[in-house]
Formats: sequence, structure tokens, C-alpha cells
Amino acid sequence: NAGVTQTPKFQVLKTGQSMTLQCAQDMNHEYMSWYRQDPGMGLRLIHYSVGAGITDQGEVPNGYNVSRSTTEDFPLRLLSAAPSQTSVYFCASSYRSGGSRNTIYFGEGSWLTVV
Amino acid sequence: KNQVEQSPQSLIILEGKNCTLQCNYTVSPFSNLRWYKQDTGRGPVSLTIMTFSENTKSNGRYTATLDADTKQSSLHITASQLSDSASYICVVSAGNTDKLIFGTGTRLQVFP
Repeated sequence: NAGVTQTPKFQVLKTGQSMTLQCAQDMNHEYMSWYRQDPGMGLRLIHYSVGAGITDQGEVPNGYNVSRSTTEDFPLRLLSAAPSQTSVYFCASSYRSGGSRNTIYFGEGSWLTVV
Repeated sequence: KNQVEQSPQSLIILEGKNCTLQCNYTVSPFSNLRWYKQDTGRGPVSLTIMTFSENTKSNGRYTATLDADTKQSSLHITASQLSDSASYICVVSAGNTDKLIFGTGTRLQVFP
């Protein structure tokens, strides 16, 4: 099984450009989420989805959009990239939310640099 | 405020030695506590998940303990190997929101 697949692995953007980070999972998980990881900080939740057609904001949603048209895919869109969005982004999926015992699977990460 | 604090921030040990990583949390109400291993340049991988009623959970050479009264957890690594070099992240779930609170991790380096 592929698990959680993220693309691209690395990306350099100019300030003001837009792009989409792709995330796909093949485990039929209902719950998917996007995090960013910055030096010296724990992972922070950007957006999450509890099922197809349902999304909600996390801790740091500004500057990002998401959609969930299928169970498998959960893309993250940067609307107008800013240097503050330079970070490592992780997509995660699980059968249910983090409050249950089920394992949360993370993708391999997408390294984004905004210049 | 819900917080997860890990110590030490970094740790260097020799191959074959044991080590213990600490996690203190102020999350309430508590739902569960997870330990993840994150290799450099990779995504976090789950090691253990513990709920309120569980004191100990093992996964090979990794043993996690939980003291819900003192809100402390530890991850003990036995007979360390070079492949144990990674960051170890403690994650606590807040029961009323299902929100995950991540620690900043302990960076472990194992040298031959």
C-alpha cells in the first residue's frame, strides 16, 4: 500500500505565486488534515476534513484553502505565497479523528520555500 | 493553555546504550498520548498510542509509560541502534475537541 502520498517533495515559489500541494491516501480514511512544521515548534494544524465535502479550519488557516471532493484526495492551496509560508508541510490521514485510538498516518512531507 | 513539553531537546548516546525521553503535558481533558519517530527528511511514524487507563505500551525496543496523575510520559529505548537516530515527538489529544497538541520533539543521535 502507498499510504499517504504527497507531491511535490520540494518546491520554490516567488512571493505572490499560487500553488497546490497534493495529498492522496489509499486507506479509505475519513479524516485527513494538513500540518506545517517549523523549526523549534510542534506541528500546527492548518485545515482538516472529516469526510468528503466537509472541511474546517485549524490553528493556522490564513493564506491556505482546501477542498475534499473525494475520500482519497485532500489538496492544499496556497493563494498568494508569502515568505512566512516557507515551511515543511505534512498531510495526515486516519480512520477517525485524533481523539480515538486509531493510528494517524503522515505523508513524507513537502518542503516549500517562498523567496 | 494546552501544552506538551519534551526534554531533553537533544541527546547523544553511544550505540548499544539505553535512553529515556520525557514528555510533560498540561492537556485537559486528556484523551490519548502518542509517540512518533521522525527520521530526518521524512514524515512522523507512529510508535505507540496510550489512553488514560494504560500505563505501559511496548513496540519492540521502544517502551512508553504514562502517568495520567502527574501528566507525564516517557519513551525508553533499549539497546540503541544507529537507526534510532531521529526526532521523537510526543503528541497529546484533547478529549473535548479531538485536537492534537504536538511537542517540539527530542532529537536523538546515536553514535557508533
